[in-house]
Amino acid sequence: DIVMTQSPDSLAVSLGERATINCKSSQSILYRSNNKNYLAWYQQKPGQPPKLLISWASTRESGVPDRFSGSGSGTDFTLTISSLQAEDVAVYYCQQYYSTVTFGPGTKVNIK
Amino acid sequence: EVQLVESGGGLVQPGGSLRLSCAASGFTFSTYWMHWVRQAPGKGLVWVSRIKSDGSSTTYSDSVKGRFTISRDNANNTLYLQMDSLRDEDTAVYYCAGVPGGNNAFYVWGQGTMVTVSS
Repeated sequence: DIVMTQSPDSLAVSLGERATINCKSSQSILYRSNNKNYLAWYQQKPGQPPKLLISWASTRESGVPDRFSGSGSGTDFTLTISSLQAEDVAVYYCQQYYSTVTFGPGTKVNIK
Repeated sequence: EVQLVESGGGLVQPGGSLRLSCAASGFTFSTYWMHWVRQAPGKGLVWVSRIKSDGSSTTYSDSVKGRFTISRDNANNTLYLQMDSLRDEDTAVYYCAGVPGGNNAFYVWGQGTMVTVSS
């Protein structure tokens, strides 16, 4: 099974500052035949289901603010919030869907 | 409006059974692979099971294999999770999620239904 790890476990960032979350897979989730990374990022606020932010490692979903961006390939990935807003306080999960499905443990983002 | 609505959660004793349902609307259910994901109180997301769009293939996590059964009724746009031999550690919010095609991100999520296993 593919194991997903995330760092840090939590972070506190000032409003308007950058937040960076890292995600690492135990094996490559890049499918060579289509050159796609099978990785997604989700945002979950208390009492709500997760919300898909980014698929294929870097494709932002419709309606997601452009301050959210995803990057990386192979085994190492990053979610960046370029200018943190109050409404971005949440837990963020990465997920691989290359081989069945595995989620990372989550990163809690708060305001400093 | 694209929607998934779970039902069937509740309190059950260890060793008991429960059947969850997930009603889909607003999209072509029969073309979506469907998944169950759970989240224990205060913990992270854990994938539980998936079923192919036509119901011909199912997969389970090791923690529920042999105890849980996923199924679907495409005529009635409904997904199910039959949970048997329940354990304390199965206590969680259970979400259903929809995936267009096979290996893809979870585009559609339900609001979740709480399952509590306790004596």
